[in-house]
Amino acid sequence: EVQLVESGGGLVQPGGSLRLSCAASGFTFSNYWMNWVRQAPGKGLEWVANIKQDGSEKYYVDSVKGRFTISRDNAKKSLYLQMNSLRAEDTAVYYCAGQVVVSSTNWYFDLWGRGTLVTVSS
Amino acid sequence: DIQMTQSPSSLSASVGDRVTITCRASQSINNYLNWYQQRPGKAPKLLIYAASSLQSGVPSRFSGSGSGTDFTLTISSLQPEDFATYYCQQTYNTPYFGQGTKLEIK
Repeated sequence: EVQLVESGGGLVQPGGSLRLSCAASGFTFSNYWMNWVRQAPGKGLEWVANIKQDGSEKYYVDSVKGRFTISRDNAKKSLYLQMNSLRAEDTAVYYCAGQVVVSSTNWYFDLWGRGTLVTVSS
Repeated sequence: DIQMTQSPSSLSASVGDRVTITCRASQSINNYLNWYQQRPGKAPKLLIYAASSLQSGVPSRFSGSGSGTDFTLTISSLQPEDFATYYCQQTYNTPYFGQGTKLEIK
């Protein structure tokens, strides 16, 4: 069974740090671009970051640049998001998502985890 | 950055209705657009990719069309399980989503 399982969410104070993990199983993790997508309570989806299969390319939404770092360990079939200098507006459910790439402009998020909730509050 | 605007933001309809949701890009994105469905408390699910290609396993009552800046998602005959929120996503560059369209039961 194809699965993505996020962990590491929780309550953190503003300015604090958290590291999210996403464990993959049932598919060849090293073949996929991987993404983090978040959803603030009652709001829409926001793409956060992605990483190429070999980790050589990483991209971020402007609002997290310099604060968040995406990484992966293909041997462990795991994706990570290191989140520093957290702000109240980072409060959201964070999903990891596997990206199928047909071409540089034809791709989609085909695999999704159930998400992990991050709450930034004092 | 390319902005994606969906309309309407919410929509009430009945089982059996035909429904159309629109997504407009702030500049041409050719056919580089996906559609997702998200049921409450669940992860999003891919419905349509490349504007009109139906993802495997998705019922044929879902269809997508459009190119350039204007795109539509159509559900030909609403079923109870279709009441959810729908998002478009551009794949021309940064994978921004539209703000979502909540489809509710009338």
